[in-house]
Amino acid sequence: AQSVTQLGSHVSVSEGALVLLRCNYSSSVPPYLFWYVQYPNQGLQLLLKYTTGATLVKGINGFEAEFKKSETSFHLTKPSAHMSDAAEYFCAVSPPNSGGYQKVTFGTGTKLQVIP
Amino acid sequence: GAGVSQSPSNKVTEKGKDVELRCDPISGHTALYWYRQSLGQGLEFLIYFQGNSAPDKSGLPSDRFSAERTGGSVSTLTIQRTQQEDSAVYLCASSYGGHTYGYTFGSGTRLTVV
Repeated sequence: AQSVTQLGSHVSVSEGALVLLRCNYSSSVPPYLFWYVQYPNQGLQLLLKYTTGATLVKGINGFEAEFKKSETSFHLTKPSAHMSDAAEYFCAVSPPNSGGYQKVTFGTGTKLQVIP
Repeated sequence: GAGVSQSPSNKVTEKGKDVELRCDPISGHTALYWYRQSLGQGLEFLIYFQGNSAPDKSGLPSDRFSAERTGGSVSTLTIQRTQQEDSAVYLCASSYGGHTYGYTFGSGTRLTVV
């Protein structure tokens, strides 16, 4: 079984401040981890993913996340928030791809507000 | 197509009526997924298609829900005898091969049952 917990359903930051969105996972095997972003009235868009290899992964729009196995975490960060970053962010987890189907489980989302 | 297309974008229906939601995935994407997003909830998995078959339909909440996919392309999610608790945004996603590549989502259909 796998699950993902996003701490904080709403996060507010000032424009130019550090963005930190928290994600902790539970998985019986080394997982694949994803962050998606959803802008208003749009579908989800893949920001970045961790599968294997380097634990610090960089995504689009200046976001990055670090896989920390010891902390079972995959927090999303961005050094300087822009107004355009205001959106809802979803963390997701799945078992590794063994060549077949694996279910992806999504968190409940964190809404990011950027204050001018 | 260039992206995943869903129709209609909004649907208001009366309780007890049947509705059909359509998803047109990216051309060549063999895998297709339906999720439901309710207010304040995460994404709830409904069903997964590989080609025209549905190896995982474990997320369908009741036998009022069904889905099919034809020609390895377009999928239709049907909800019979709609209830107010069915009100949600229904999201479709497709992927090329497995989930390693990430999903491409459509903009969703917002279903309101009155």
